[in-house]
Amino acid sequence: GQQVMQIPQYQHVQEGEDFTTYCNSSTTLSNIQWYKQRPGGHPVFLIQLVKSGEVKKQKRLTFQFGEAKKNSSLHITATQTTDVGTYFCAGEDSGGGADGLTFGKGTHLIIQP
Amino acid sequence: GAGVSQSPSNKVTEKGKDVELRCDPISGHTALYWYRQSLGQGLEFLIYFQGNSAPDKSGLPSDRFSAERTGGSVSTLTIQRTQQEDSAVYLCASSLQSTISEQYFGPGTRLTVT
Repeated sequence: GQQVMQIPQYQHVQEGEDFTTYCNSSTTLSNIQWYKQRPGGHPVFLIQLVKSGEVKKQKRLTFQFGEAKKNSSLHITATQTTDVGTYFCAGEDSGGGADGLTFGKGTHLIIQP
Repeated sequence: GAGVSQSPSNKVTEKGKDVELRCDPISGHTALYWYRQSLGQGLEFLIYFQGNSAPDKSGLPSDRFSAERTGGSVSTLTIQRTQQEDSAVYLCASSLQSTISEQYFGPGTRLTVT
């Protein structure tokens, strides 16, 4: 079945440094979504990418969808303490099927002030 | 408007007992999902309901797990003969149409099996 892998699992950065998490799917995706989960909270939708090579920005966050639609990345510029949390990517297989989104295991972002 | 709600927020049960977890999706959302999240881990897909179609149960870990969605709205996840390894946070999410739409998550039910 479809697998979605995220790296790194944990990332420690100093406040102000940049951060990137990578997401790779074993199959071609029709779309990919990114979610953020604060400690003790539930996942909250950030963005969805649909087109090959698509790049979207939200303030300090930049999201990319690979040309082959099998990988994606989230880059945060100049991290702040409010960025702490776990970032999940979730992909839908382009082959269809009814098994919902497949979530990666997430990247835990830890920021040291 | 109201978001996705789940009840109870916390449940402690003894091994071997049955539990029911409830999810109220956002009104008008036709798709509903159940996930399981162990401490510090990712989201494990359990089951997906889309409108009146037969649910996709491919993620249910064993036949002790079942779920229903009545009237296309409220859903109940039932775990029979609970085991300690069932301890986790059970998250429910709904979306407007299908997986192409963003998912709105509820606060989860933290299940502890002693």
